[in-house]
Amino acid sequence: AAGVIQSPRHLIKEKRETATLKCYPIPRHDTVYWYQQGPGQDPQFLISFYEKMQSDKGSIPDRFSAQQFSDYHSELNMSSLELGDSALYFCASSWDRSSYNEQFFGPGTRLTVL
Amino acid sequence: DAKTTQPNSMESNEEEPVHLPCNHSTISGTDYIHWYRQLPSQGPEYVIHGLTSNVNNRMASLAIAEDRKSSTLILHRATLRDAAVYYCILRDVGETSGSRLTFGEGTQLTVNP
Repeated sequence: AAGVIQSPRHLIKEKRETATLKCYPIPRHDTVYWYQQGPGQDPQFLISFYEKMQSDKGSIPDRFSAQQFSDYHSELNMSSLELGDSALYFCASSWDRSSYNEQFFGPGTRLTVL
Repeated sequence: DAKTTQPNSMESNEEEPVHLPCNHSTISGTDYIHWYRQLPSQGPEYVIHGLTSNVNNRMASLAIAEDRKSSTLILHRATLRDAAVYYCILRDVGETSGSRLTFGEGTQLTVNP
């Protein structure tokens, strides 16, 4: 069965650079979520989209922005990168935004900021 | 948001049952109880969820207390592959803003061969 695809899997950037992370949800899933997991931390919700509209916003820095496109894939844009942005970034997708639907997670993008 | 409390760590032997507890004394009537797990170097993975009644699926069973203030995830026969961090998460069925998952401090399960 198709799973959530994230690219790239690994990314190394310098401070103050920008980064773009991509997420391709499972086919026919219309809701995408982004989570950040710092070293030794639990995943933290950043932002979500339902039918191409932002549906919920968590602890996402103003330096970050995201969107969901017409084909339902999503991109997380990160600017003015800081050392503290080094983390695993997970994307998840679900059938819709209902709270009883399971979220399917991708393998994550490991971002390292030097 | 209603909070959950789980033990930091638990240990089990392979092929034995494992009972992972979760306390959620401030649960509301519209909160679903979800369990996810995260294996090393992987994204979180859905395990099971329920509202009031006990639930079974191919991965595990979920036993929910009658007052809903606690629940227990049951792995019937632990395998080495079950070693992971297990998260108990409450999700409000009435939430329309996107139903984020709020991960707390889960339980690190160690399975001994």
